[in-house]
Amino acid sequence: AQTVTQSQPEMSVQEAETVTLSCTYDTSESNYYLFWYKQPPSRQMILVIRQEAYKQQNATENRFSVNFQKAAKSFSLKISDSQLGDTAMYFCAFMQYNNNDMRFGAGTRLTVKP
Amino acid sequence: DTGVSQDPRHKITKRGQNVTFRCDPISEHNRLYWYRQTLGQGPEFLTYFQNEAQLEKSRLLSDRFSAERPKGSFSTLEIQRTEQGDSAMYLCASSREGDSPLHFGNGTRLTVT
Repeated sequence: AQTVTQSQPEMSVQEAETVTLSCTYDTSESNYYLFWYKQPPSRQMILVIRQEAYKQQNATENRFSVNFQKAAKSFSLKISDSQLGDTAMYFCAFMQYNNNDMRFGAGTRLTVKP
Repeated sequence: DTGVSQDPRHKITKRGQNVTFRCDPISEHNRLYWYRQTLGQGPEFLTYFQNEAQLEKSRLLSDRFSAERPKGSFSTLEIQRTEQGDSAMYLCASSREGDSPLHFGNGTRLTVT
């Protein structure tokens, strides 16, 4: 069974600085997708970034980028130039190709301090 | 794109009562998911529909839980004989075919007293 582990329950960062959130996963599959979702205090989950396992290039979305290490089964999220609006719970998620059961980690609560 | 809509936002019920939640997905999305999220945890998969067909159910979905999507549009999740352990946020999500990402609603927070 696939599992997703986020080892940092809480993190904080100063506004405008960079922070990296960790995620590791366990799977025997070779084709899958990885995601980072953000859940602000309003509770709606929002997709931040996604990565296809077959792509070697790390995904980037504006200030958000990932470091995908397939052999190590690691998928960290880097937030550059942190903004107050980045304060939220961040969930790492795994979905096997052709499967509809998206598995989430326990989340990391990120606080951006002014 | 009006987003995924869930109703109600909050529900407080007494143990033993039945509750029903509704989810309206994004209109062109044929896939619909239900997740449960407890405090301090990530969402846990409950069930998945493609159009009106319920294709997957988690073992978390006990006999007291039933979900429907009768016309392939909105979906309902019913919990019968609620227990205190059912208290959680119930999230609905939808997506298009293929590998498109999930779009989540705001959730329904259930409190069983």
